[in-house]
Amino acid sequence: GAVVSQHPSRVICKSGTSVKIECRSLDFQATTMFWYRQFPKQSLMLMATSNEGSKATYEQGVEKDKFLINHASLTLSTLTVTSAHPEDSSFYICSARLMSGSSYNEQFFGPGTRLTVL
Amino acid sequence: AQSVSQHNHHVILSEAASLELGCNYSYGGTVNLFWYVQYPGQHLQLLLKYFSGDPLVKGIKGFEAEFIKSKFSFNLRKPSVQWSDTAEYFCAVGRNTGFQKLVFGTGTRLLVSP
Repeated sequence: GAVVSQHPSRVICKSGTSVKIECRSLDFQATTMFWYRQFPKQSLMLMATSNEGSKATYEQGVEKDKFLINHASLTLSTLTVTSAHPEDSSFYICSARLMSGSSYNEQFFGPGTRLTVL
Repeated sequence: AQSVSQHNHHVILSEAASLELGCNYSYGGTVNLFWYVQYPGQHLQLLLKYFSGDPLVKGIKGFEAEFIKSKFSFNLRKPSVQWSDTAEYFCAVGRNTGFQKLVFGTGTRLLVSP
């Protein structure tokens, strides 16, 4: 159980276009999902916290108009990279938090989406 | 702000060798500590976690980690590695409040040669 999927796994797009990445919790409901960005040989950097039914909370330095997040249901969050540029090329990973009733709720990670902007 | 540092970026070991990966964090409050593993081509998986209690925690696949509060450390260990342990290992720190966001270390790439 507790599987998180991402679609697409890879995407190549032209500069100036927008790209949407989906994150789904397949067998549980997630009121909170997280979006991370990972540069080569670097750590996962939290970009934003996605909350079902409300606005996302962005980390400092992350442009909310550039990275649009929508958490329309308890199993789906989307990240749209608007007007993508080559510097947006990266590995984007989402996670979903499983509410277990305990004080800590584990995050389960998706397989990631490799975005390449030409 | 919280930060996590992993001292070893690349580690190469032979099978049956012992493993210790360092992790230090900076945060003065109560934290939860995690080690995640990412096998080639796969997603991040939780290896083990520490919330409170016994500072020596055991995880899956024979891994364990020791929380030393005075040193702000949470080092990962395995007495005898296998070829299948080849992966990238991430240390992460989170707070048990709010959204329970995680801060990750830079990762350590482990290569185990048969």
